[in-house]
Amino acid sequence: EVQLVESGGGVVQPGGSLRLSCAASGFTFDDYAMHWVRQAPGKGLEWVSLISGDGGSTYYADSVKGRFTISRDNSKNSLYLQMNSLRTEDTALYYCAKDIRYDSSGWLVYWGQGTLVTVSS
Amino acid sequence: QSVLTQPPSASGTPGQRVTISCSGSSSNIGSNYVYWYQQLPGTAPKLLIYRNNQRPSGVPDRFSGSKSGTSASLAISGLRSEDEADYYCAAWDDSLSGHWVFGGGTKLTVL
Repeated sequence: EVQLVESGGGVVQPGGSLRLSCAASGFTFDDYAMHWVRQAPGKGLEWVSLISGDGGSTYYADSVKGRFTISRDNSKNSLYLQMNSLRTEDTALYYCAKDIRYDSSGWLVYWGQGTLVTVSS
Repeated sequence: QSVLTQPPSASGTPGQRVTISCSGSSSNIGSNYVYWYQQLPGTAPKLLIYRNNQRPSGVPDRFSGSKSGTSASLAISGLRSEDEADYYCAAWDDSLSGHWVFGGGTKLTVL
């Protein structure tokens, strides 16, 4: 059974940094691309970033480009999101999601339960 | 403002058929597949339709998807109370080195 468990959320001041983690199990982690998607309180879904199975290709939403960095450690079956220069508008529930494919040609097929990030002074 | 446009709300009575639209552009829906996700209250999104009109195993055939040009739609027939949820369309967008885009979501109410 696929399991994705996000962690690392919390309260941070504007301009601060936070690193999210996603522990994956139930599938061969390095065979699949992975995503981060966020949802602000009471709002819709916003895709954040995608990383290929080997970590060699990454993609970002314009809203986070240059501030967030997606990475993965296939030896630990883990996905990460390093978030710097955080803004109040980054406040959201952050979901880790598994892709159906190894690269950017697939789609989001399974989601974790999310970790909440609150950016506030 | 979302790149893909959905109506914010839709409603129907049990047994009815409802449709939810999703409008995009040539760089996303016009040139790529459309996906639909269902988000029940307080839960994570779940894949409902992939590649325009394909259902994952376990999704009832009451749910169907279609695409024409730069628009897509999700149809739910034989509406049930448990279908009350938020529905999101999504597509890969070829612009700006490539990225995923979502619709703003449609809250479906079963009256």
